Amino acid sequence: AQSVAQPEDQVNVAEGNPLTVKCTYSVSGNPYLFWYVQYPNRGLQFLLKYITGDNLVKGSYGFEAEFNKSQTSFHLKKPSALVSDSALYFCAVRPRTGANNLFFGTGTRLTVIP
Amino acid sequence: DSGVTQTPKHLITATGQRVTLRCSPRSGDLSVYWYQQSLDQGLQFLIHYYNGEERAKGNILERFSAQQFPDLHSELNLSSLELGDSALYFCASSVVEGAGNEQFFGPGTRLTVL
Repeated sequence: AQSVAQPEDQVNVAEGNPLTVKCTYSVSGNPYLFWYVQYPNRGLQFLLKYITGDNLVKGSYGFEAEFNKSQTSFHLKKPSALVSDSALYFCAVRPRTGANNLFFGTGTRLTVIP
Repeated sequence: DSGVTQTPKHLITATGQRVTLRCSPRSGDLSVYWYQQSLDQGLQFLIHYYNGEERAKGNILERFSAQQFPDLHSELNLSSLELGDSALYFCASSVVEGAGNEQFFGPGTRLTVL
């Protein structure tokens, strides 16, 4: 069965500091990996994805994510956090074969402290 | 703005009733996915349609059904509603099936069952 773990419900970081939001997965094969962000009363916005190639993926708003095959992880990172980055972040996976839907983690609430 | 529209934005109804949620995908997208977001279950995949045909079912109750029309808009029908059906229902669309195409999410419909 597919599963996605976001081990931290809440991450607090000071503005200007680097941030990391963790994600590990248990999916057969080499899945496609995604990060989405959800602001209050809004839908999910796509941030970035890993398909193949370079393990470091760059996305929207200065975010990047590092794919680690041996650790089956796909951590979201940003070198310098902004207060406006405060939101709910979801990691998602999609197996390369079979159904096309996304399997989501439980979400991590990021709070950037001014 | 993702280009995916959902109506209504909010829906308040009583137990035992039936409601219909509507989704219009981004222009050109053939795939429509429905997801349910609740506090206890997180983000869960319900059903996927591609160009009018049902492609995959997730954790969708028998009381729920969906369809995709020739103009590619989709409707999710929820019947015999229970208190536990209260949730945020998202529609997402993507261009084609397969590959690593990201899904674009609508703003959601918040359903409250009283």
